[in-house]
Amino acid sequence: GDSVTQMEGPVTLSEEAFLTINCTYTATGYPSLFWYVQYPGEGLQLLLKATKADDKGSNKGFEATYRKETTSFHLEKGSVQVSDSAVYFCALYTGGFKTIFGAGTRLFVKA
Amino acid sequence: GAGVSQSPSNKVTEKGKDVELRCDPISGHTALYWYRQSLGQGLEFLIYFQGNSAPDKSGLPSDRFSAERTGGSVSTLTIQRTQQEDSAVYLCASSFHAGEGETQYFGPGTRLLVL
Repeated sequence: GDSVTQMEGPVTLSEEAFLTINCTYTATGYPSLFWYVQYPGEGLQLLLKATKADDKGSNKGFEATYRKETTSFHLEKGSVQVSDSAVYFCALYTGGFKTIFGAGTRLFVKA
Repeated sequence: GAGVSQSPSNKVTEKGKDVELRCDPISGHTALYWYRQSLGQGLEFLIYFQGNSAPDKSGLPSDRFSAERTGGSVSTLTIQRTQQEDSAVYLCASSFHAGEGETQYFGPGTRLLVL
């Protein structure tokens, strides 16, 4: 069945470091891909999305490119801030109104 | 309201008791989703509504779980005869309609602890 695998956390970085959170997926058809973020004490919110191969989603300095050949959607940011500390979820949607989420990766950014 | 709201924010109950969790979606959103987030796990899809109907109930873990939605707005998730393994954060989300690529807006969740 369809699934999402993302790197285990926690990931701990110093401020201004480069961030990569890996995400790979298994899906039939052509899914839409998402990154959601959950800040401490808040609900999940959409960070970025891509709906077809080679699309790049971007928001708040984060980017992710839909790579069909490697079935990946890795999240990157060139210079993280303390305020980026949160849990990041990779997700896919293949139809049937069900979105499948990864287990989440917790990011800690130290000042 | 401005966003999806859920109540209660926290619920502690004894094993065997019934609990009701409430979700108020964003006004005008026709689709509503329930998920469960267990400690260290990803989000587990439970059920979704398009309007008042629930076309897919396959994600509900057992027949102790049920959900309804009335007036195309508020939804209630009911867990009967709660068990300790039901302890989790229950998240509700809504979207303008249920469709591919549709952004879901999440509530803050209800943290359920079954003793």
